[in-house]
Formats: sequence, C-alpha cells, structure tokens
Amino acid sequence: AQSVTQLGSHVSVSEGALVLLRCNYSSSVPPYLFWYVQYPNQGLQLLLKYTSAATLVKGINGFEAEFKKSETSFHLTKPSAHMSDAAEYFCAVMGGATNKLIFGTGTLLAVQP
Amino acid sequence: GAGVSQSPSNKVTEKGKDVELRCDPISGHTALYWYRQSLGQGLEFLIYFQGNSAPDKSGLPSDRFSAERTGGSVSTLTIQRTQQEDSAVYLCASSSPGHSSGNTIYFGEGSWLTVV
Repeated sequence: AQSVTQLGSHVSVSEGALVLLRCNYSSSVPPYLFWYVQYPNQGLQLLLKYTSAATLVKGINGFEAEFKKSETSFHLTKPSAHMSDAAEYFCAVMGGATNKLIFGTGTLLAVQP
Repeated sequence: GAGVSQSPSNKVTEKGKDVELRCDPISGHTALYWYRQSLGQGLEFLIYFQGNSAPDKSGLPSDRFSAERTGGSVSTLTIQRTQQEDSAVYLCASSSPGHSSGNTIYFGEGSWLTVV
C-alpha cells in the first residue's frame, strides 16, 4: 500500500527565504508522486509531478522537487519565497494496481514580510 | 467550462436530511474521484470511477454514503440522513489515465457542506 508523510504541519519562512517542504513516501512499487497547492477557499492545483522520468522535477511558480529513491523522499523547494506562496501544500502518491491518489496531511506555509 | 465543475458550491442542511452533490468532470476524462476534506482529517479518498469498471468504494465511510456516475460522465454523491460529522468540503476530480498511471488529476472547487 502507498502512503506519504509530510513532516511539519506548519512552516513559516520570511519573504525571500528558501522554502523547503518535506515529503516521504512509502510504496511497494515505483511510485508516481505529486505536489498540489491549495489557496484559501479554493480547490487543489497541481504544482508538479514525478512519473519516473527526470528525478528533478520543475513545476509552476518557481517550485521544484527532487525524487530520491534512496531516501524515499520527494521534498518541495523554492529558492525565494513570495507572499503569494502562502497556502497549504499537499504531497500525494499513486501507484500499483490502482489509480487512487493518496494524500499526505498537508503543510500550511506562512510567509512573513 | 474547461475544468471540473461542482454544485452546489455551498450547502447548509439540517441533520437527518439527505443531500446530493454533483460533479461534472472534464470532457473526455474517464476517471472520476470523490474526496472529502475536513478539519483534522486532511484529504480523505471516498470513491473512484474508471470507465465501465466497478467503482472502488473502499473509502466510503458508511452505508449512508453512495455515488453513481451516469453515462460515464456526470457523478452524484449522495449522503443520506446527514450527521454533523459529515460537515466538510467534498472535492471531485477527474483524469484521463490512458495506459499508465501518473496522469494529472484535476480537482474542482469543492462543495462546502454544513450540517446543522
């Protein structure tokens, strides 16, 4: 069975600082991994996804994530935070015989001026 | 519209009443999902439809919850005899899985359900 763990339910950074949101996965088969963002009172928007091509995945809004099999990790980063990045971020995994997307518990990112 | 459309966007209902939530997936998408998002529970998988295959109902929390998908397109999630703990945002999503997993799943804006 697949699962993801997001370390840190709340992360606060200063504007211009590095953003690092952690995600570790568990999967018995090669996984597909996703990061979604949810702005207040809105639906989920795909930031980026890993589907077994390049291990470094670039997404929208300057975000990227690196798939590290040895660490079973797929951490999300952005070099310089903007105020508009304040939102909740969800890591998710899909794999095996099902196309079911399993989400982590989310990380709420706050950006301080 | 080009996205996943859900209605109603907001619903307030009295405890014990039945509610129906509707989802219009992206045209051509054969896979359709329902998720529930509530405080302290994160994003909870409810049910998954894929083409004409039997749906994966493994996430439905009780027999008060059911969903159907007519004509391989529009889906309705029905909650019977609503309880206060059913209050949540119900998110619908669709994708076109093709021959392999990993295709993007697109989410609607959600239906906010409040049971009073």
